[in-house]
Amino acid sequence: EADIYQTPRYLVIGTGKKITLECSQTMGHDKMYWYQQDPGMELHLIHYSYGVNSTEKGDLSSESTVSRIRTEHFPLTLESARPSHTSQYLCASSVSGQYTDTQYFGPGTRLTVL
Amino acid sequence: DQQVKQNSPSLSVQEGRISILNCDYTNSMFDYFLWYKKYPAEGPTFLISISSIKDKNEDGRFTVFLNKSAKHLSLHIVPSQPGDSAVYFCAASADQFYFGTGTSLTVIP
Repeated sequence: EADIYQTPRYLVIGTGKKITLECSQTMGHDKMYWYQQDPGMELHLIHYSYGVNSTEKGDLSSESTVSRIRTEHFPLTLESARPSHTSQYLCASSVSGQYTDTQYFGPGTRLTVL
Repeated sequence: DQQVKQNSPSLSVQEGRISILNCDYTNSMFDYFLWYKKYPAEGPTFLISISSIKDKNEDGRFTVFLNKSAKHLSLHIVPSQPGDSAVYFCAASADQFYFGTGTSLTVIP
């Protein structure tokens, strides 16, 4: 069973606030990811990291930023939240398998910006 | 442009019968395919995967079939159980992971 945690699980916040979504994993995985998912839509990769001090933007343009100072921790920050940021945010980490990586997901953060 | 497509947003199946979930993809460079299961208010959990060098992988009640010429994969669940009711996502891997929009499976007792 994967041990990957996200806090908060739910967040309702006003426009213009700065927020940080936390993600931690205890499996020692080098690779971590942030996805954004709207209801009925596919998961969109917004950020990923292949190790400490390594961060990259994904396919979906995002106004968020991430940092990777420790292997187990991959927080996502929105400097100024807007209603368009309302979505579910899923954090994942992965381990290399025989053919490819298998991603393990956290429970997600449901963000609502008023 | 969506590279992984699940064209059926929902599926209902009687308990004990077979559930077949389908997924199509467009990128021939995908070399690995995965299925994830997601319950409400939880993150997706890994279910089963298949490498592009195989056409079938089985794990208990779950079997994934890959048809590379048709760029199609399917997940078979047999027999279906009420606890299988969830949203199922297929994903494909190349330089990164690409996910479908999910199919909501309801298994009717």
